[in-house]
Amino acid sequence: GENVEQHPSTLSVQEGDSAVIKCTYSDSASNYFPWYKQELGKRPQLIIDIRSNVGEKKDQRIAVTLNKTAKHFSLHITETQPEDSAVYFCAPRGLTGGGNKLTFGTGTQLKVEL
Amino acid sequence: DAGVTQSPTHLIKTRGQQVTLRCSPKSGHDTVSWYQQALGQGPQFIFQYYEEEERQRGNFPDRFSGHQFPNYSSELNVNALLLGDSALYLCASSSGLAGADTQYFGPGTRLTVL
Repeated sequence: GENVEQHPSTLSVQEGDSAVIKCTYSDSASNYFPWYKQELGKRPQLIIDIRSNVGEKKDQRIAVTLNKTAKHFSLHITETQPEDSAVYFCAPRGLTGGGNKLTFGTGTQLKVEL
Repeated sequence: DAGVTQSPTHLIKTRGQQVTLRCSPKSGHDTVSWYQQALGQGPQFIFQYYEEEERQRGNFPDRFSGHQFPNYSSELNVNALLLGDSALYLCASSSGLAGADTQYFGPGTRLTVL
């Protein structure tokens, strides 16, 4: 949590290509690392998450990798489809302060072109 | 199994007025967090309620207050509204404070301050 940066801020890919979004964070107490997808005018929806005791998790075309030493984690989308077009947010969560707030990154606008 | 619900969907207020937003958590969840999402930005944490107490607070003024009821539902109150309070207000529910548990978002309340 705390300082969270995402790169890139915009990403345009051709349908079928892969997309990778990276998230860096500063709070070493972070122990839970979700990625949310938000379509225009809708709620953020959890697409994948990883906990600090594993380094990689995959769910069909989506995967997340975690490097706790370097304090970054990445979202990987393979075989992109037009319906993957949305804004993606990382939101690492730390337990500092007695709660478990999510600290959202600035977002990555992904556009999948036909 | 009902998901997270929020009311109202949209709200228009004028500067100086007060507003109350409502959230019902997902069945089985006892923790409610509130976030403010300005246009084009990621959600910002306002506060979190657990066992009817505010457990953690983000960088928001005292004009923002909340409450959690015995049935785990929650209200967000904003006094002395400013133009800058115009945003999408999201609540998220989860289970418990400790551990790495997933937060599920409601559809949000779109607040416009004129």
